Amino acid sequence: ILNVEQSPQSLHVQEGDSTNFTCSFPSSNFYALHWYRWETAKSPEALFVMTLNGDEKKKGRISATLNTKEGYSYLYIKGSQPEDSATYLCASPANTDKLIFGTGTRLQVFP
Amino acid sequence: DTGVSQDPRHKITKRGQNVTFRCDPISEHNRLYWYRQTLGQGPEFLTYFQNEAQLEKSRLLSDRFSAERPKGSFSTLEIQRTEQGDSAMYLCASSRYTRTGGNSPLHFGNGTRLTVT
Repeated sequence: ILNVEQSPQSLHVQEGDSTNFTCSFPSSNFYALHWYRWETAKSPEALFVMTLNGDEKKKGRISATLNTKEGYSYLYIKGSQPEDSATYLCASPANTDKLIFGTGTRLQVFP
Repeated sequence: DTGVSQDPRHKITKRGQNVTFRCDPISEHNRLYWYRQTLGQGPEFLTYFQNEAQLEKSRLLSDRFSAERPKGSFSTLEIQRTEQGDSAMYLCASSRYTRTGGNSPLHFGNGTRLTVT
């Protein structure tokens, strides 16, 4: 059974701080790694889909890296803003068809 | 692209009642997924369809749960004889399937929050 783990569970930072979270996944039979942002009262929104070892993706102040050999991905937020407050989920396909999600990192950014 | 829509947004029901939720995916998406999310957990896979075919159902899913996608467009998820443990957010998502499979991002609806009293 594919096990996707995320840490930390929650994070409180001040506006302007930079932060990062970790997603770990089995390195064998790797297909892809997804990151989603889930704001309260909204639907989860895809941030990145990463497939290649060493891949780096960026969207505004948010970026992600991928290490498929050791089975981890980092999500970075530079200069956190209150609107970045959300739960950040990572997920990996179990058999190329269904995504298995981690429990998420809940980020709160205080002004 | 009108997005994925789910109905209802909230449902309160008494234990033992049946409930049905509807999901309308993005029109050109051939895959449709149902997930369930409870407090402190990530979305848990329930089942998925490619067009009208149900390709997989979670082994953890009780026989009280059934899903359909009769014409390969909208889908319904029915829970029979609801139990308090069924209280959760039920999320629907759709994607465009490609041969590379897991590389297509999921587009989620806002979910249906079920409360069983």
